[in-house]
Amino acid sequence: QIALKESGPTLVKPTQTLTLTCTFSGFSLSTSGVGVGWIRQPPGRALEWLALIYWDDDKRYSPSLKSRLSITKDTSKYQVVLTMTNMDPLDTATYYCAHTGPAVRGWDFDFWGQGTLVTVSS
Amino acid sequence: SSELTQDPAVSVALGQTVRITCHGDSLRTYYASWYQQKPGQAPLLVIYAKTNRPSGIPDRFSGSSSGNTASLTITGAQAEDEADYYCNSRDSSGSHLVFGGGTKLTVL
Repeated sequence: QIALKESGPTLVKPTQTLTLTCTFSGFSLSTSGVGVGWIRQPPGRALEWLALIYWDDDKRYSPSLKSRLSITKDTSKYQVVLTMTNMDPLDTATYYCAHTGPAVRGWDFDFWGQGTLVTVSS
Repeated sequence: SSELTQDPAVSVALGQTVRITCHGDSLRTYYASWYQQKPGQAPLLVIYAKTNRPSGIPDRFSGSSSGNTASLTITGAQAEDEADYYCNSRDSSGSHLVFGGGTKLTVL
């Protein structure tokens, strides 16, 4: 079955770069139509889509955060990495990675990781 | 426009029907999906491509759309349906995703 898990630092300082890794199992990112996305949620607030990478290395970014984000994949390691530069306390949030695929149009997220809380503070 | 707008809160009596709505210009072109999120949990996809339910989602959940509005209807709401619900779709460019602000559903 499909499973995803986020990992990375729980605390980063303002202006630092955040690197998060999504390690997954049960699917391959070399399969046509499959993608992995990142979504975040500040405490008590709404979900915000960040980025999405597909099997063919097509990458999509939130327009409001595009200048700060980078998403990459390592198919052999079953991992997707998200980096976000110039972190600010407003970036404090739970960060989720999630799977999409042909069964859900390649845009909807049918399997999610548990999320990882990242706090930005000096 | 890249925004999806939801009512912040909705309530429903146990066993009754409730509709949660999502408004946005992009919904005239692109289908909405709906996610349920309970406290401390990751979101759960309950409706995708406007009307489709993933495996395991009860058939009391249904989706529809008209013009710039997408709706999630729960027919015969149960206590376990109390949660936050988020709509999601592409933005007007079709190249990016956007979430609505969420609706907190209370089952009375």
